[in-house]
Amino acid sequence: GQSLEQPSEVTAVEGAIVQINCTYQTSGFYGLSWYQQHDGGAPTFLSYNALDGLEETGRFSSFLSRSDSYGYLLLQELQMKDSASYFCAVRDGNTDKLIFGTGTRLQVFP
Amino acid sequence: AAGVIQSPRHLIKEKRETATLKCYPIPRHDTVYWYQQGPGQDPQFLISFYEKMQSDKGSIPDRFSAQQFSDYHSELNMSSLELGDSALYFCASSQLAGGDTGELFFGEGSRLTVL
Repeated sequence: GQSLEQPSEVTAVEGAIVQINCTYQTSGFYGLSWYQQHDGGAPTFLSYNALDGLEETGRFSSFLSRSDSYGYLLLQELQMKDSASYFCAVRDGNTDKLIFGTGTRLQVFP
Repeated sequence: AAGVIQSPRHLIKEKRETATLKCYPIPRHDTVYWYQQGPGQDPQFLISFYEKMQSDKGSIPDRFSAQQFSDYHSELNMSSLELGDSALYFCASSQLAGGDTGELFFGEGSRLTVL
C-alpha cells in the first residue's frame, strides 16, 4: 500500500517561518510534490522534488531525502494569504495517478 | 492561459438520483484524472484516462463510471446517489509526454450535494 503522513495542523504568525513535514511509504517513487489548497478551492501545484536536496521557489522551498522517505515544505516570511491546506503527494510508481497525503492546515495569525 | 474546465460548479441531487459531471482538460494534455474530496479530507483518486483509455482505477464505487471522449473531455457518471457521495469532485489534467514534474492542473471542482 501507499501512505503519506503529515501533521494535521500548524499555526504561525505573519513573517515567521514554518516547516511542514511529510513521510511516505510507496511501492514506487518518482518524486514528491506539494500542493496548496485554499478552502473550497482547487489544489494548486507548488513544487516537485525528484532528487535529494532543497528546491527553492521564492518564499517556498521543498526538501527531499529519498533514503529517509521524507520531505518537507518550508514557507518563509509568512503572509495571511498563506493560510491554506498543504498536501504532499507522490506519483504512483506503477501508474500515473497522484496519491495525496493527509494534508496540513496552516493558519497564519497577525 | 486555458485551464481545466469543470461543469456544473454546483449540483444538488436527491438520494437515488443520477448525476453527471463534465471535465474539459487543458488542450494537448493527454491524461485526465478524477478525484473526490470530502469535507476536511484529502483528495481521493477515483479514476484516470490516458489518451482516452482508462489507465488506472482507485476507490471508485461500482455505482460510478467514467469515460473520455474523442475530443478528450471526460464525464463522471454517478448513479443511485447516496448521502455520502456529497463532496467536491475535481478533475485534473497533465501532459506526461512533456516530462514528469508531478504537476497536475486541477479544475475548480464540482460540488455535489445529495439530500
